[in-house]
Amino acid sequence: NAGVTQTPKFQVLKTGQSMTLQCAQDMNHEYMSWYRQDPGMGLRLIHYSVGAGITDQGEVPNGYNVSRSTTEDFPLRLLSAAPSQTSVYFCASRPLGLPIRETQYFGPGTRLLVL
Amino acid sequence: KNEVEQSPQNLTAQEGEFITINCSYSVGISALHWLQQHPGGGIVSLFMLSSGKKKHGRLIATINIQEKHSSLHITASHPRDSAVYICAVRWGRLRSQGNLIFGKGTKLSVKP
Repeated sequence: NAGVTQTPKFQVLKTGQSMTLQCAQDMNHEYMSWYRQDPGMGLRLIHYSVGAGITDQGEVPNGYNVSRSTTEDFPLRLLSAAPSQTSVYFCASRPLGLPIRETQYFGPGTRLLVL
Repeated sequence: KNEVEQSPQNLTAQEGEFITINCSYSVGISALHWLQQHPGGGIVSLFMLSSGKKKHGRLIATINIQEKHSSLHITASHPRDSAVYICAVRWGRLRSQGNLIFGKGTKLSVKP
């Protein structure tokens, strides 16, 4: 199993540009999520999904869109990039079930710089 | 709001020392996670626990539900343990409450 994969690893954007961060998992996990990590702050939830066709907002959803058309893929779209979106983005997945059995698996991260 | 506080923020130790990292949270939880973030950025799950104690090799995690507190211990620390250790809690049992809330992390540096 490849686990959770993310592309690209690094991206530079200009203010106003749009782009999609890709995330895929091959573990048949129902739950997938996107986080951003900024210096001095904990990981913050952007959007999450509990299954294909179901998405919901997290703590910091503004400026981002998601969709979940398949169990495997959960892309994150930046509609109009802003310097405040400069961050490291992590995708994660886990099975749904008893809380204590839901080990979270993280992708390697995408470093985004918005100029 | 459920807050997760970790201490210390930074920790420097000599190889071989016993290390403790603390995590406190403000409301009832269904599970607590300890994660390790390597210097290269990757995040891996170390422990997930809801009561008592768990041990993997030199790592030990404990949780006291009544006191809303967890500790991560590293015995016989080694420079390869240098990383950021992150505490995260899940505060509900429903699927809609399945999101994790993260602490800011503790940066550990172990000197040879």
